[in-house]
Amino acid sequence: EAQVTQNPRYLITVTGKKLTVTCSQNMNHEYMSWYRQDPGLGLRQIYYSMNVEVTDKGDVPEGYKVSRKEKRNFPLILESPSPNQTSLYFCASSYGTGRSSYEQYFGPGTRLTVT
Amino acid sequence: AQSVSQHNHHVILSEAASLELGCNYSYGGTVNLFWYVQYPGQHLQLLLKYFSGDPLVKGIKGFEAEFIKSKFSFNLRKPSVQWSDTAEYFCAVNALGSNYQLIWGAGTKLIIKP
Repeated sequence: EAQVTQNPRYLITVTGKKLTVTCSQNMNHEYMSWYRQDPGLGLRQIYYSMNVEVTDKGDVPEGYKVSRKEKRNFPLILESPSPNQTSLYFCASSYGTGRSSYEQYFGPGTRLTVT
Repeated sequence: AQSVSQHNHHVILSEAASLELGCNYSYGGTVNLFWYVQYPGQHLQLLLKYFSGDPLVKGIKGFEAEFIKSKFSFNLRKPSVQWSDTAEYFCAVNALGSNYQLIWGAGTKLIIKP
C-alpha cells in the first residue's frame, strides 16, 4: 500500500531535549516536505527536499533541521525543542516532476507537546 | 508575499444544505489550485485540483470548485452535504515556478448536523 508513515504519532517532551520525528514514503517520490499545523494558521512549510541531499528552507525553518540521505526517508530534527514548537506536524511527499508533483501525499501527523 | 485566504473558519450546516467555501489568493501569475480535506482523525487528502482548462473542476464525493481568474478565487461547492462531510477543508495554491511549494489557507472547519 502506497503510504507516508511518521513516527511517533504522539510525543510529549521537555524543553531542550533533542528529538527526531521520522518520515518514510514507499512511493519512490522525489519531493518531500515537512509542515506544522497550528489552529487558525493552516499548514506552514518547515523544510522541503527536492531529492536526495537536496534540502531547502520553507516558511518557518527556525529551530528545525532535516536530512535526506535516502530517497524514502526525511527525518525532522528538533535539536533543542521549545514550547512554541508544540504543534501538529505533517510529512508529505510527491513526484518530483510534472503536474503530479503538486499532489502531495500526507502522513498521519505527529502531535508534539513541549513542556 | 503570496497568501491564501479562507473566509470562514467555522461553518455549521444541516444535512442536505448546499455548501460553498470561499478561497482567495494573492498572486497575479499562473497558479495551480487545490482543495484538501482532513476528516476527523485522518490525514490530509486531495479533494480536487485545477491546473488549466475548464474552470469548473469536479472532485471526489460530489465536490466541485470553480476557478474565477478575475476574482483570484477558487471556491469549493457541494449541492447537498452529508453528515460524513464533517471535516476541515484547506485551500492551497502553487505559483508556477515556485518549486512545487504550496501556500495554504488557514482551513475551514465544517460541521454537518444530522
